[in-house]
Amino acid sequence: QSVLTQPPSVSGAPGQRVTISCTGSSSNIGAGYDVHWYQQVPGTAPKLLIYDNTNRPSGVPDRFSGSKSGTSASLAISGLQAEDEADYYCQSFDSGLSGSVFGGGTKLAVL
Amino acid sequence: EVQLVQSGAEVKKPGESLKISCKGSGYTFTGYWIAWVRQMPGKGLEWMGIIYPGDSYTRYSPSFQGQVTISADKSINTAYLQWTSLKASDTAMYYCARHPKNRYNRFDPWGQGTLVTVSS
Repeated sequence: QSVLTQPPSVSGAPGQRVTISCTGSSSNIGAGYDVHWYQQVPGTAPKLLIYDNTNRPSGVPDRFSGSKSGTSASLAISGLQAEDEADYYCQSFDSGLSGSVFGGGTKLAVL
Repeated sequence: EVQLVQSGAEVKKPGESLKISCKGSGYTFTGYWIAWVRQMPGKGLEWMGIIYPGDSYTRYSPSFQGQVTISADKSINTAYLQWTSLKASDTAMYYCARHPKNRYNRFDPWGQGTLVTVSS
């Protein structure tokens, strides 16, 4: 299993708000390493969505927001749109592994 | 524009060798870490290892240590991932990605991916 834990799936109706959690431990998120989020539309490469816990790259709508507290982080998506259907992954650094770690991914369904 | 362009899809037989590539452009290739990430069919992302093309320093995930080799040729701005003896379980999409800041940080951008299929 993955070092970072995410729910396998979340869903919401258009216009609603959903959150995706990412739980780590004292050797990664809890050690102060930043959390980053990626969106992967099926058949395409992952794309950076949120970096350094809360920052959005240029071009990412402000409907997407990130937060971090203790050993966990969250991605919130408000005003859900059909185009938001994708897989979402969190990523951080783990001092025990001395390398990057990913969450197992969360599939978002827009009902 | 910073870009990573990967080599094309490969179909190989078990036991064969393979080397796939990732060419960087739009930035100083030697100054940024490049990582390789595996995604098996229907599964999540797995960090395999990284290389610093400036001095070819590499670090591997314990899960991939000894199974693959990561290298780089800074004269042509290209990183590589290679296998000496492929297994069916190596069938996956492989992505390269750049650390824009340091190796503890995010991946951006990503290559488009190279699909490797290993089948007899």
